[in-house]
Amino acid sequence: AQSVAQPEDQVNVAEGNPLTVKCTYSVSGNPYLFWYVQYPNRGLQFLLKYITGDNLVKGSYGFEAEFNKSQTSFHLKKPSALVSDSALYFCAVSRPFYGGSQGNLIFGKGTKLSVKP
Amino acid sequence: NAGVTQTPKFQVLKTGQSMTLQCAQDMNHEYMSWYRQDPGMGLRLIHYSVGAGITDQGEVPNGYNVSRSTTEDFPLRLLSAAPSQTSVYFCASSRDRGLSTEAFFGQGTRLTVV
Repeated sequence: AQSVAQPEDQVNVAEGNPLTVKCTYSVSGNPYLFWYVQYPNRGLQFLLKYITGDNLVKGSYGFEAEFNKSQTSFHLKKPSALVSDSALYFCAVSRPFYGGSQGNLIFGKGTKLSVKP
Repeated sequence: NAGVTQTPKFQVLKTGQSMTLQCAQDMNHEYMSWYRQDPGMGLRLIHYSVGAGITDQGEVPNGYNVSRSTTEDFPLRLLSAAPSQTSVYFCASSRDRGLSTEAFFGQGTRLTVV
């Protein structure tokens, strides 16, 4: 069964330092992986996705994610954190229904990122 | 461009009451879904729809009904509210149900059942 794990409930980073939010997945077949961000009292916003091709995916707000097939990981990264990056981050995998080509999202539990000045 | 609009933003219900959470999208998206978000559990799928007139159950459908009479609207009905339904509810839409298609989310409805 498809699943997503985010091993850290919270990540604390100083502003200007690099950040990493971890995600591992378990899927049968090719993975379709997503990162979403949720700011306080807001809905989820799409950041980036991995479908195929280059293992380093670039997304919104300077974020990128590295797909590692051997480690079944899809970690979210940013070279220099901003206080405004403080939010809840969700990793998700797209799950096919009935073995077909239509999918739906399975979410991890979320990781709270706190960036201090 | 409004995107996905949910109403109300906040609601308090008494146990046993019923209500409807509204969701509308203006992007002509085929696929719409409802999730609930509970602390430490991520988002869980309640119901989804692949087009007008077609709905199906997700992971946690008990106690909820949906309908999809138009492409734009996808209301979620709580039949008889229970404290276990206290949660934040999100409506989402996507262009289609393809594996690589990203979803757009509404701002959420925070529901408390007392």
